[in-house]
Amino acid sequence: DIQMTQSPSSLSASVGDRVIISCRASRSISNYLNWYQQKPGKAPNLLIYAASSLQSGVPSRFSGSGSGADFTLTISSLQPEDVATYYCQQSYTVLYTFGQGTKLEIK
Amino acid sequence: QVTLKESGPVLVKPTETLTLTCTVSGFSLSSTGMGVSWIRQPPGKALEWLAHIFSNDDKSYSTSLKSRLTISKDTSKSQVVLTMTDMDPLDTATYYCARINNTYSSSGYYYYYMDIWGTGTTVTVSS
Repeated sequence: DIQMTQSPSSLSASVGDRVIISCRASRSISNYLNWYQQKPGKAPNLLIYAASSLQSGVPSRFSGSGSGADFTLTISSLQPEDVATYYCQQSYTVLYTFGQGTKLEIK
Repeated sequence: QVTLKESGPVLVKPTETLTLTCTVSGFSLSSTGMGVSWIRQPPGKALEWLAHIFSNDDKSYSTSLKSRLTISKDTSKSQVVLTMTDMDPLDTATYYCARINNTYSSSGYYYYYMDIWGTGTTVTVSS
Protein backbone atom coordinates (compact mmCIF):
# COMPACT_ATOMS: atom_id res chain seq x y z
CA ASP A 1 0.00 0.00 0.00
CA ILE A 2 1.09 3.57 -0.58
CA GLN A 3 1.85 5.42 2.66
CA MET A 4 1.09 9.13 2.94
CA THR A 5 3.05 11.27 5.41
CA GLN A 6 2.05 14.82 6.27
CA SER A 7 4.14 17.52 7.92
CA PRO A 8 3.88 19.15 10.26
CA SER A 9 1.41 17.22 12.42
CA SER A 10 0.22 20.50 13.89
CA LEU A 11 0.90 24.17 13.45
CA SER A 12 -0.17 27.49 14.82
CA ALA A 13 -0.27 30.62 12.68
CA SER A 14 -1.66 34.13 12.79
CA VAL A 15 -4.57 35.49 10.80
CA GLY A 16 -3.26 36.70 7.47
CA ASP A 17 -0.26 34.36 7.46
CA ARG A 18 0.68 32.17 4.55
CA VAL A 19 0.42 28.55 5.62
CA ILE A 20 1.98 25.56 3.87
CA ILE A 21 1.20 21.92 4.64
CA SER A 22 3.25 19.15 3.08
CA CYS A 23 2.33 15.63 2.04
CA ARG A 24 4.73 12.95 0.85
CA ALA A 25 3.83 9.64 -0.76
CA SER A 26 5.92 6.50 -0.26
CA ARG A 27 6.26 6.27 -4.05
CA SER A 28 5.29 8.34 -7.06
CA ILE A 29 1.57 8.92 -7.43
CA SER A 30 1.77 11.35 -10.37
CA ASN A 31 -0.81 13.99 -9.44
CA TYR A 32 -3.47 11.66 -8.01
CA LEU A 33 -3.63 13.60 -4.78
CA ASN A 34 -6.61 15.13 -3.01
CA TRP A 35 -6.84 17.46 -0.01
CA TYR A 36 -9.67 17.60 2.54
CA GLN A 37 -10.51 19.97 5.36
CA GLN A 38 -12.20 18.65 8.49
CA LYS A 39 -13.56 21.11 10.99
CA PRO A 40 -14.16 19.93 14.57
CA GLY A 41 -17.17 17.65 14.84
CA LYS A 42 -17.86 17.75 11.10
CA ALA A 43 -17.36 15.49 8.11
CA PRO A 44 -14.40 16.17 5.82
CA ASN A 45 -14.83 18.57 2.92
CA LEU A 46 -13.01 18.28 -0.42
CA LEU A 47 -10.72 21.25 -1.12
CA ILE A 48 -8.39 20.20 -3.92
CA TYR A 49 -8.37 17.27 -6.34
CA ALA A 50 -5.79 16.13 -8.89
CA ALA A 51 -3.15 17.92 -6.79
CA SER A 52 -4.01 21.44 -7.94
CA SER A 53 -7.64 21.68 -9.06
CA LEU A 54 -9.80 23.75 -6.73
CA GLN A 55 -13.14 22.16 -5.89
CA SER A 56 -16.14 24.32 -6.73
CA GLY A 57 -17.09 26.66 -3.90
CA VAL A 58 -13.72 26.51 -2.14
CA PRO A 59 -12.14 29.93 -1.49
CA SER A 60 -9.31 30.88 -3.82
CA ARG A 61 -6.90 31.37 -0.91
CA PHE A 62 -6.51 27.58 -0.96
CA SER A 63 -4.18 26.11 -3.56
CA GLY A 64 -2.38 22.85 -4.16
CA SER A 65 0.78 21.94 -5.99
CA GLY A 66 3.15 19.06 -6.55
CA SER A 67 3.61 15.94 -8.58
CA GLY A 68 5.35 12.62 -8.14
CA ALA A 69 5.73 12.06 -4.42
CA ASP A 70 5.78 15.56 -2.91
CA PHE A 71 2.78 17.85 -2.58
CA THR A 72 1.80 21.01 -0.75
CA LEU A 73 -1.41 22.69 0.31
CA THR A 74 -1.10 26.45 0.66
CA ILE A 75 -3.44 28.88 2.37
CA SER A 76 -2.39 32.30 1.09
CA SER A 77 -3.92 34.34 3.90
CA LEU A 78 -5.11 32.42 6.92
CA GLN A 79 -8.64 33.19 8.11
CA PRO A 80 -10.21 32.28 11.48
CA GLU A 81 -12.61 29.88 9.76
CA ASP A 82 -9.66 27.84 8.44
CA VAL A 83 -9.10 26.27 11.86
CA ALA A 84 -9.37 22.58 11.02
CA THR A 85 -7.44 19.40 10.40
CA TYR A 86 -6.24 18.90 6.85
CA TYR A 87 -5.76 15.51 5.20
CA CYS A 88 -4.14 14.45 1.96
CA GLN A 89 -5.36 11.30 0.20
CA GLN A 90 -4.00 9.42 -2.80
CA SER A 91 -6.17 7.90 -5.52
CA TYR A 92 -3.30 6.60 -7.65
CA THR A 93 -4.21 3.06 -6.65
CA VAL A 94 -7.67 1.68 -5.90
CA LEU A 95 -6.48 1.17 -2.32
CA TYR A 96 -6.96 4.74 -1.19
CA THR A 97 -4.87 6.01 1.73
CA PHE A 98 -4.96 9.17 3.81
CA GLY A 99 -2.19 11.07 5.52
CA GLN A 100 -2.26 11.29 9.30
CA GLY A 101 -3.58 14.85 9.25
CA THR A 102 -2.26 18.34 10.05
CA LYS A 103 -4.07 20.26 12.77
CA LEU A 104 -4.11 23.99 12.09
CA GLU A 105 -4.76 26.48 14.87
CA ILE A 106 -4.81 30.25 15.13
CA LYS A 107 -2.03 31.86 17.16
CA GLN B 1 -28.88 18.20 -4.21
CA VAL B 2 -26.59 15.26 -3.56
CA THR B 3 -26.73 13.77 -0.08
CA LEU B 4 -25.50 10.63 1.63
CA LYS B 5 -26.78 9.37 4.96
CA GLU B 6 -25.24 6.64 7.09
CA SER B 7 -27.34 4.43 9.33
CA GLY B 8 -26.68 1.51 11.62
CA PRO B 9 -26.39 0.47 15.25
CA VAL B 10 -24.91 2.83 17.79
CA LEU B 11 -23.61 0.02 19.97
CA VAL B 12 -22.31 -3.43 19.06
CA LYS B 13 -20.76 -6.12 21.21
CA PRO B 14 -17.29 -7.56 20.65
CA THR B 15 -17.25 -10.40 18.09
CA GLU B 16 -20.56 -9.26 16.56
CA THR B 17 -20.99 -8.25 12.92
CA LEU B 18 -21.61 -4.59 12.11
CA THR B 19 -23.90 -3.68 9.22
CA LEU B 20 -23.94 -0.09 8.01
CA THR B 21 -26.13 1.36 5.29
CA CYS B 22 -25.42 4.43 3.18
CA THR B 23 -28.53 5.84 1.52
CA VAL B 24 -27.82 8.24 -1.31
CA SER B 25 -29.97 10.80 -3.08
CA GLY B 26 -29.40 13.23 -5.92
CA PHE B 27 -27.36 10.80 -7.99
CA SER B 28 -27.63 7.20 -9.14
CA LEU B 29 -25.40 4.34 -8.02
CA SER B 30 -25.45 3.26 -11.67
CA SER B 31 -23.96 6.54 -12.96
CA THR B 32 -20.88 5.68 -15.01
CA GLY B 33 -17.62 6.21 -13.17
CA MET B 34 -19.16 7.01 -9.82
CA GLY B 35 -18.80 5.11 -6.61
CA VAL B 36 -19.23 5.17 -2.86
CA SER B 37 -16.48 4.81 -0.27
CA TRP B 38 -16.62 3.97 3.43
CA ILE B 39 -14.16 5.75 5.71
CA ARG B 40 -13.85 5.62 9.48
CA GLN B 41 -12.30 7.82 12.14
CA PRO B 42 -11.60 6.61 15.69
CA PRO B 43 -12.03 9.30 18.35
CA GLY B 44 -9.24 11.87 18.05
CA LYS B 45 -7.51 9.98 15.25
CA ALA B 46 -7.03 10.18 11.50
CA LEU B 47 -9.30 9.15 8.67
CA GLU B 48 -8.98 5.56 7.49
CA TRP B 49 -10.32 4.42 4.12
CA LEU B 50 -12.14 1.06 4.39
CA ALA B 51 -13.68 0.09 1.07
CA HIS B 52 -15.41 1.33 -2.05
CA ILE B 53 -17.72 0.12 -4.75
CA PHE B 54 -18.23 1.58 -8.22
CA SER B 55 -21.17 1.70 -10.58
CA ASN B 56 -19.77 -1.26 -12.55
CA ASP B 57 -19.67 -3.22 -9.25
CA ASP B 58 -15.87 -3.07 -8.97
CA LYS B 59 -14.96 -3.34 -5.28
CA SER B 60 -11.80 -2.68 -3.29
CA TYR B 61 -10.96 -3.20 0.37
CA SER B 62 -8.39 -1.93 2.83
CA THR B 63 -5.53 -4.42 2.93
CA SER B 64 -5.50 -4.58 6.73
CA LEU B 65 -9.28 -5.15 7.03
CA LYS B 66 -10.02 -7.05 3.83
CA SER B 67 -10.83 -10.33 5.58
CA ARG B 68 -13.52 -8.68 7.69
CA LEU B 69 -15.25 -6.39 5.18
CA THR B 70 -17.92 -6.86 2.55
CA ILE B 71 -19.37 -4.04 0.48
CA SER B 72 -22.42 -4.26 -1.76
CA LYS B 73 -24.97 -2.02 -3.39
CA ASP B 74 -28.67 -2.06 -4.18
CA THR B 75 -29.14 0.40 -7.00
CA SER B 76 -32.93 0.24 -6.86
CA LYS B 77 -32.87 1.29 -3.21
CA SER B 78 -29.99 3.77 -3.67
CA GLN B 79 -28.12 2.04 -0.87
CA VAL B 80 -24.58 0.83 -0.25
CA VAL B 81 -24.08 -1.63 2.58
CA LEU B 82 -20.86 -2.35 4.47
CA THR B 83 -20.52 -5.30 6.80
CA MET B 84 -17.61 -5.73 9.20
CA THR B 85 -17.26 -9.00 11.06
CA ASP B 86 -15.70 -9.81 14.42
CA MET B 87 -16.00 -6.32 15.87
CA ASP B 88 -13.48 -5.22 18.50
CA PRO B 89 -13.38 -2.19 20.83
CA LEU B 90 -10.63 -0.80 18.57
CA ASP B 91 -13.28 -0.54 15.83
CA THR B 92 -15.06 2.16 17.84
CA ALA B 93 -15.24 5.10 15.44
CA THR B 94 -17.34 7.45 13.39
CA TYR B 95 -18.09 5.78 10.07
CA TYR B 96 -18.59 7.94 6.97
CA CYS B 97 -19.74 7.16 3.48
CA ALA B 98 -18.72 9.45 0.63
CA ARG B 99 -19.45 9.73 -3.08
CA ILE B 100 -16.55 9.08 -5.40
CA ASN B 101 -16.71 11.42 -8.34
CA ASN B 102 -14.33 11.79 -11.26
CA THR B 103 -12.95 14.29 -13.71
CA TYR B 104 -11.54 13.48 -17.13
CA SER B 105 -8.38 15.44 -17.81
CA SER B 106 -7.13 16.76 -21.13
CA SER B 107 -4.19 14.38 -20.78
CA GLY B 108 -6.57 11.46 -21.02
CA TYR B 109 -6.72 10.34 -17.39
CA TYR B 110 -9.57 10.07 -14.90
CA TYR B 111 -9.06 11.60 -11.48
CA TYR B 112 -11.13 10.25 -8.61
CA TYR B 113 -12.00 12.06 -5.39
CA MET B 114 -14.60 11.97 -2.62
CA ASP B 115 -16.63 15.10 -3.18
CA ILE B 116 -19.74 14.64 -1.02
CA TRP B 117 -19.69 13.08 2.44
CA GLY B 118 -22.37 11.96 4.81
CA THR B 119 -22.47 13.36 8.32
CA GLY B 120 -21.21 10.10 9.79
CA THR B 121 -22.55 7.60 12.28
CA THR B 122 -20.82 6.80 15.55
CA VAL B 123 -20.37 3.15 16.44
CA THR B 124 -19.19 2.02 19.86
CA VAL B 125 -17.96 -1.52 20.44
CA SER B 126 -18.44 -2.58 24.03
CA SER B 127 -19.84 -5.44 26.02
